[in-house]
Amino acid sequence: NAGVTQTPKFRVLKTGQSMTLLCAQDMNHEYMYWYRQDPGMGLRLIHYSVGEGTTAKGEVPDGYNVSRLKKQNFLLGLESAAPSQTSVYFCASSSQGGGQPQHFGDGTRLSIL
Amino acid sequence: DQQVKQNSPSLSVQEGRISILNCDYTNSMFDYFLWYKKYPAEGPTFLISISSIKDKNEDGRFTVFLNKSAKHLSLHIVPSQPGDSAVYFCAASGNSGGSNYKLTFGKGTLLTVNP
Repeated sequence: NAGVTQTPKFRVLKTGQSMTLLCAQDMNHEYMYWYRQDPGMGLRLIHYSVGEGTTAKGEVPDGYNVSRLKKQNFLLGLESAAPSQTSVYFCASSSQGGGQPQHFGDGTRLSIL
Repeated sequence: DQQVKQNSPSLSVQEGRISILNCDYTNSMFDYFLWYKKYPAEGPTFLISISSIKDKNEDGRFTVFLNKSAKHLSLHIVPSQPGDSAVYFCAASGNSGGSNYKLTFGKGTLLTVNP
């Protein structure tokens, strides 16, 4: 009964390094999302996917890339990490868009030094 | 421009009393409204939702009210319990066009229920 699993849970990077955050869901959901949460900012959508092989930009996509090669996985990449990308990243999935509830993972806390 | 606003960063309530969390929105295209609860070091969890064709939805101790003309919704928790202490996020989505897939979140309200 895993739901949405995010890997890793914590990571510290140096400016300019790259990394990939992995999100896996076992609910056969079509839609997947990446958010970032910053103090006093709520959750902001970075990128999302409405099905395998599709991706689209959200509210704050700059500096990030994503891929959805398999239905159950949604990867978020930082090509050249910047201190402004220090945040908590949440992945979510849903069976449909719109008003369907999204199921969230427990987050990845990322610090860029 | 913030489309979903939760103007109270925090709220403190006594156990057993009612908690009322408020949310305002500006986008008239929003059709669905959801409330999420978030504990520290965990992801948000879905609590309750309401469609714009309704003005009230109830689930146990949780009731959401929607006033579409005022673009305002509220979450009532009765009676409040210490385990309800968490950050509550209001979220909204549309049902047509480009906003169909996306939730727009408010900044959250920290609810503290005191024993």
